[in-house]
Amino acid sequence: EPEVTQTPSHQVTQMGQEVILRCVPISNHLYFYWYRQILGQKVEFLVSFYNNEISEKSEIFDDQFSVERPDGSNFTLKIRSTKLEDSAMYFCASRKGFLSSGANVLTFGAGSRLTVL
Amino acid sequence: KNEVEQSPQNLTAQEGEFITINCSYSVGISALHWLQQHPGGGIVSLFMLSSGKKKHGRLIATINIQEKHSSLHITASHPRDSAVYICAVRSRGSQGNLIFGKGTKLSVKP
Repeated sequence: EPEVTQTPSHQVTQMGQEVILRCVPISNHLYFYWYRQILGQKVEFLVSFYNNEISEKSEIFDDQFSVERPDGSNFTLKIRSTKLEDSAMYFCASRKGFLSSGANVLTFGAGSRLTVL
Repeated sequence: KNEVEQSPQNLTAQEGEFITINCSYSVGISALHWLQQHPGGGIVSLFMLSSGKKKHGRLIATINIQEKHSSLHITASHPRDSAVYICAVRSRGSQGNLIFGKGTKLSVKP
Protein backbone atom coordinates (compact mmCIF):
# COMPACT_ATOMS: atom_id res chain seq x y z
CA GLU A 1 0.00 0.00 0.00
CA PRO A 2 1.47 3.41 -0.95
CA GLU A 3 2.63 5.50 2.01
CA VAL A 4 3.44 9.07 2.88
CA THR A 5 6.92 9.05 4.40
CA GLN A 6 8.13 11.65 6.89
CA THR A 7 11.60 12.32 8.21
CA PRO A 8 12.88 12.74 10.82
CA SER A 9 10.55 10.89 13.15
CA HIS A 10 11.82 13.00 16.05
CA GLN A 11 13.96 16.13 16.11
CA VAL A 12 15.22 18.03 19.10
CA THR A 13 16.44 21.55 18.47
CA GLN A 14 17.41 24.68 20.33
CA MET A 15 15.15 27.72 20.29
CA GLY A 16 16.04 30.02 17.40
CA GLN A 17 17.40 27.25 15.18
CA GLU A 18 16.06 26.48 11.72
CA VAL A 19 14.32 23.16 11.22
CA ILE A 20 13.35 21.39 8.01
CA LEU A 21 10.81 18.58 8.13
CA ARG A 22 10.64 16.37 5.08
CA CYS A 23 7.81 14.49 3.50
CA VAL A 24 7.60 12.19 0.50
CA PRO A 25 3.94 12.15 -0.61
CA ILE A 26 2.41 9.34 -2.62
CA SER A 27 3.77 9.60 -6.14
CA ASN A 28 0.55 10.24 -8.11
CA HIS A 29 -0.93 12.63 -5.55
CA LEU A 30 -1.32 16.28 -6.43
CA TYR A 31 -2.39 18.02 -3.20
CA PHE A 32 -0.09 18.22 -0.22
CA TYR A 33 -0.70 19.39 3.34
CA TRP A 34 0.98 20.07 6.63
CA TYR A 35 -0.88 19.80 9.93
CA ARG A 36 0.39 20.02 13.46
CA GLN A 37 -0.72 18.68 16.82
CA ILE A 38 0.57 20.18 20.04
CA LEU A 39 0.71 17.55 22.77
CA GLY A 40 -2.74 16.98 24.26
CA GLN A 41 -4.47 19.28 21.79
CA LYS A 42 -6.38 18.83 18.57
CA VAL A 43 -4.85 18.63 15.14
CA GLU A 44 -4.59 21.99 13.34
CA PHE A 45 -4.26 22.81 9.65
CA LEU A 46 -1.13 24.69 8.61
CA VAL A 47 -0.95 24.84 4.83
CA SER A 48 -2.07 23.24 1.59
CA PHE A 49 0.02 23.13 -1.58
CA TYR A 50 -1.00 22.46 -5.16
CA ASN A 51 0.63 23.07 -8.54
CA ASN A 52 3.83 24.29 -6.90
CA GLU A 53 2.23 27.00 -4.83
CA ILE A 54 0.44 27.49 -1.56
CA SER A 55 -3.31 27.23 -2.10
CA GLU A 56 -4.40 27.89 1.46
CA LYS A 57 -2.79 28.62 4.80
CA SER A 58 -3.92 29.14 8.37
CA GLU A 59 -3.14 31.96 10.80
CA ILE A 60 -0.55 29.69 12.40
CA PHE A 61 1.44 29.62 9.17
CA ASP A 62 3.21 32.95 9.61
CA ASP A 63 6.44 34.29 8.10
CA GLN A 64 8.48 31.85 10.15
CA PHE A 65 7.08 28.96 8.14
CA SER A 66 7.66 28.06 4.52
CA VAL A 67 6.99 25.08 2.30
CA GLU A 68 8.75 23.88 -0.79
CA ARG A 69 8.63 21.08 -3.29
CA PRO A 70 12.27 21.22 -4.39
CA ASP A 71 12.07 18.19 -6.67
CA GLY A 72 9.45 15.78 -7.93
CA SER A 73 9.18 13.84 -4.71
CA ASN A 74 9.95 15.82 -1.56
CA PHE A 75 7.65 18.29 0.17
CA THR A 76 9.33 20.21 2.98
CA LEU A 77 8.22 22.39 5.86
CA LYS A 78 10.80 24.86 7.11
CA ILE A 79 10.60 26.74 10.39
CA ARG A 80 13.15 29.56 10.24
CA SER A 81 13.64 30.39 13.88
CA THR A 82 11.98 27.89 16.16
CA LYS A 83 10.12 28.94 19.30
CA LEU A 84 9.22 26.82 22.31
CA GLU A 85 5.59 26.83 21.20
CA ASP A 86 6.54 25.17 17.89
CA SER A 87 7.04 21.93 19.80
CA ALA A 88 4.45 19.60 18.31
CA MET A 89 3.88 16.60 16.07
CA TYR A 90 3.85 17.70 12.45
CA PHE A 91 1.88 15.59 10.00
CA CYS A 92 2.21 15.65 6.25
CA ALA A 93 -0.70 14.42 4.14
CA SER A 94 -1.48 14.06 0.47
CA ARG A 95 -4.42 13.26 -1.77
CA LYS A 96 -4.93 12.42 -5.40
CA GLY A 97 -7.28 15.19 -6.35
CA PHE A 98 -8.87 13.94 -9.53
CA LEU A 99 -12.60 13.36 -9.72
CA SER A 100 -12.38 9.63 -9.22
CA SER A 101 -12.97 7.15 -6.48
CA GLY A 102 -10.72 7.93 -3.56
CA ALA A 103 -9.66 11.26 -5.06
CA ASN A 104 -10.35 13.16 -1.86
CA VAL A 105 -9.16 10.60 0.65
CA LEU A 106 -6.26 11.94 2.64
CA THR A 107 -3.25 9.78 3.41
CA PHE A 108 -1.23 10.89 6.41
CA GLY A 109 2.39 10.31 7.21
CA ALA A 110 3.41 8.93 10.61
CA GLY A 111 4.42 12.40 11.80
CA SER A 112 7.58 14.19 12.83
CA ARG A 113 7.84 15.08 16.48
CA LEU A 114 9.61 18.39 17.00
CA THR A 115 10.90 19.30 20.44
CA VAL A 116 12.22 22.85 20.90
CA LEU A 117 14.35 23.43 23.99
CA LYS B 1 -17.07 28.02 20.34
CA ASN B 2 -15.64 24.92 18.64
CA GLU B 3 -16.78 24.47 15.08
CA VAL B 4 -16.52 20.69 15.43
CA GLU B 5 -17.78 19.05 18.59
CA GLN B 6 -17.37 15.38 19.38
CA SER B 7 -19.01 13.29 22.05
CA PRO B 8 -18.18 11.54 24.19
CA GLN B 9 -14.65 12.75 24.96
CA ASN B 10 -13.78 9.40 26.50
CA LEU B 11 -15.44 6.03 26.07
CA THR B 12 -14.71 2.72 27.75
CA ALA B 13 -16.40 -0.38 26.40
CA GLN B 14 -16.28 -4.12 26.86
CA GLU B 15 -15.14 -6.26 23.98
CA GLY B 16 -18.08 -7.04 21.71
CA GLU B 17 -20.07 -3.91 22.50
CA PHE B 18 -21.56 -1.67 19.84
CA ILE B 19 -19.87 1.74 19.89
CA THR B 20 -21.21 5.09 18.70
CA ILE B 21 -19.19 8.29 18.48
CA ASN B 22 -20.93 11.50 17.53
CA CYS B 23 -19.78 14.60 15.70
CA SER B 24 -21.64 17.88 15.27
CA TYR B 25 -20.39 20.81 13.26
CA SER B 26 -21.52 24.38 12.77
CA VAL B 27 -20.05 25.34 9.38
CA GLY B 28 -21.12 24.52 5.84
CA ILE B 29 -19.01 21.63 4.67
CA SER B 30 -18.04 19.89 1.48
CA ALA B 31 -16.83 16.74 3.22
CA LEU B 32 -16.42 15.13 6.63
CA HIS B 33 -13.57 12.82 7.58
CA TRP B 34 -13.35 10.23 10.29
CA LEU B 35 -9.76 9.55 11.34
CA GLN B 36 -8.15 7.11 13.74
CA GLN B 37 -5.12 8.09 15.77
CA HIS B 38 -3.17 5.33 17.50
CA PRO B 39 -1.19 5.78 20.72
CA GLY B 40 2.01 6.17 18.72
CA GLY B 41 0.48 9.23 17.09
CA GLY B 42 -0.04 8.05 13.52
CA ILE B 43 -3.28 9.09 11.80
CA VAL B 44 -5.25 6.82 9.51
CA SER B 45 -8.14 7.98 7.38
CA LEU B 46 -11.19 5.79 7.95
CA PHE B 47 -13.92 7.49 5.94
CA MET B 48 -14.63 10.55 3.88
CA LEU B 49 -18.33 11.39 3.61
CA SER B 50 -20.33 14.03 1.87
CA SER B 51 -23.70 12.32 2.21
CA GLY B 52 -25.41 9.14 3.36
CA LYS B 53 -23.59 6.20 4.82
CA LYS B 54 -20.40 4.22 4.30
CA LYS B 55 -19.37 0.84 5.65
CA HIS B 56 -15.97 -0.76 5.88
CA GLY B 57 -15.73 -4.02 7.78
CA ARG B 58 -17.03 -3.41 11.32
CA LEU B 59 -17.04 0.36 10.88
CA ILE B 60 -20.03 2.37 9.71
CA ALA B 61 -20.14 6.13 9.21
CA THR B 62 -23.26 8.17 8.62
CA ILE B 63 -23.84 11.82 7.97
CA ASN B 64 -26.94 14.02 8.08
CA ILE B 65 -26.13 17.21 6.21
CA GLN B 66 -29.35 18.98 7.23
CA GLU B 67 -28.71 18.32 10.92
CA LYS B 68 -24.93 18.88 10.59
CA HIS B 69 -24.25 15.65 12.38
CA SER B 70 -22.25 12.52 11.76
CA SER B 71 -21.84 9.28 13.66
CA LEU B 72 -19.16 6.61 13.62
CA HIS B 73 -20.28 3.15 14.71
CA ILE B 74 -18.11 0.17 15.55
CA THR B 75 -19.84 -3.19 15.70
CA ALA B 76 -18.44 -6.08 17.77
CA SER B 77 -15.72 -3.88 19.26
CA HIS B 78 -12.31 -5.36 19.95
CA PRO B 79 -9.37 -4.20 22.09
CA ARG B 80 -7.43 -3.40 18.92
CA ASP B 81 -10.07 -0.72 18.17
CA SER B 82 -8.70 1.25 21.14
CA ALA B 83 -7.55 4.58 19.73
CA VAL B 84 -8.57 8.21 19.44
CA TYR B 85 -11.24 8.78 16.80
CA ILE B 86 -11.23 12.21 15.23
CA CYS B 87 -13.91 13.95 13.22
CA ALA B 88 -12.70 16.61 10.80
CA VAL B 89 -14.65 18.72 8.33
CA ARG B 90 -13.60 20.48 5.15
CA SER B 91 -15.47 23.73 4.90
CA ARG B 92 -17.09 24.63 1.60
CA GLY B 93 -14.64 26.24 -0.80
CA SER B 94 -11.60 24.94 1.02
CA GLN B 95 -9.13 22.55 -0.51
CA GLY B 96 -7.63 21.14 2.62
CA ASN B 97 -8.28 23.39 5.53
CA LEU B 98 -9.69 20.65 7.72
CA ILE B 99 -11.24 21.73 11.00
CA PHE B 100 -10.66 19.02 13.55
CA GLY B 101 -12.61 17.91 16.57
CA LYS B 102 -10.79 17.19 19.81
CA GLY B 103 -11.21 13.47 19.36
CA THR B 104 -12.88 10.67 21.28
CA LYS B 105 -10.59 8.38 23.19
CA LEU B 106 -11.93 4.83 22.97
CA SER B 107 -10.71 2.06 25.21
CA VAL B 108 -12.08 -1.44 24.62
CA LYS B 109 -11.46 -3.86 27.49
CA PRO B 110 -11.15 -7.62 26.89
